[in-house]
Amino acid sequence: DTGVSQNPRHKITKRGQNVTFRCDPISEHNRLYWYRQTLGQGPEFLTYFQNEAQLEKSRLLSDRFSAERPKGSFSTLEIQRTEQGDSAMYLCASSFPVRVYEQYFGPGTRLTVT
Amino acid sequence: TQLLEQSPQFLSIQEGENLTVYCNSSSVFSSLQWYRQEPGEGPVLLVTVVTGGEVKKLKRLTFQFGDARKDSSLHITAAQPGDTGLYLCARAGNNRLAFGKGNQVVVIP
Repeated sequence: DTGVSQNPRHKITKRGQNVTFRCDPISEHNRLYWYRQTLGQGPEFLTYFQNEAQLEKSRLLSDRFSAERPKGSFSTLEIQRTEQGDSAMYLCASSFPVRVYEQYFGPGTRLTVT
Repeated sequence: TQLLEQSPQFLSIQEGENLTVYCNSSSVFSSLQWYRQEPGEGPVLLVTVVTGGEVKKLKRLTFQFGDARKDSSLHITAAQPGDTGLYLCARAGNNRLAFGKGNQVVVIP
């Protein structure tokens, strides 16, 4: 399967713990995006990378959130000191830079903070 | 902030019926995408429309882009249970996609 993959698919954690999610994009895509989706809402943009460079971060991405893409391939999203409001589906997508409108999404990581 | 308004938010129909859902914006789209999302999965790209008045068909799904490029509709003919899902419209701009809240469609066998 050459689509976008995300791990883990589900994560349950206690408030205050740190969590890390991984995204493996489609190999030919050098753009990688992170979105967050809560119940009853569409996905909301968090941040994106072109190769290893993080080019933009949304105001939704508080200081407790950090994303990396060290070698321009896979990416990780870490949330420190999780809060109940962080409970959501975290989606990763990838695209070619000239085709921002054609983003291919992974299956997401469902985070539940208890 | 959701800049795209999708209606109706929820629609339940019987198998074999037709349905139409809508996506509207107060500003012009350079392009508009429709995605379908099933529970527990990521959105899957269905179509991109670019030209005002454009109509695209994907099997029993017909997508129309408004002449003024401010709105779009998705029509499903003879809906089947496999069409059940959350239909999301999105606009590309500023290196990201901005989504509406979606149209939740349930097709009852």
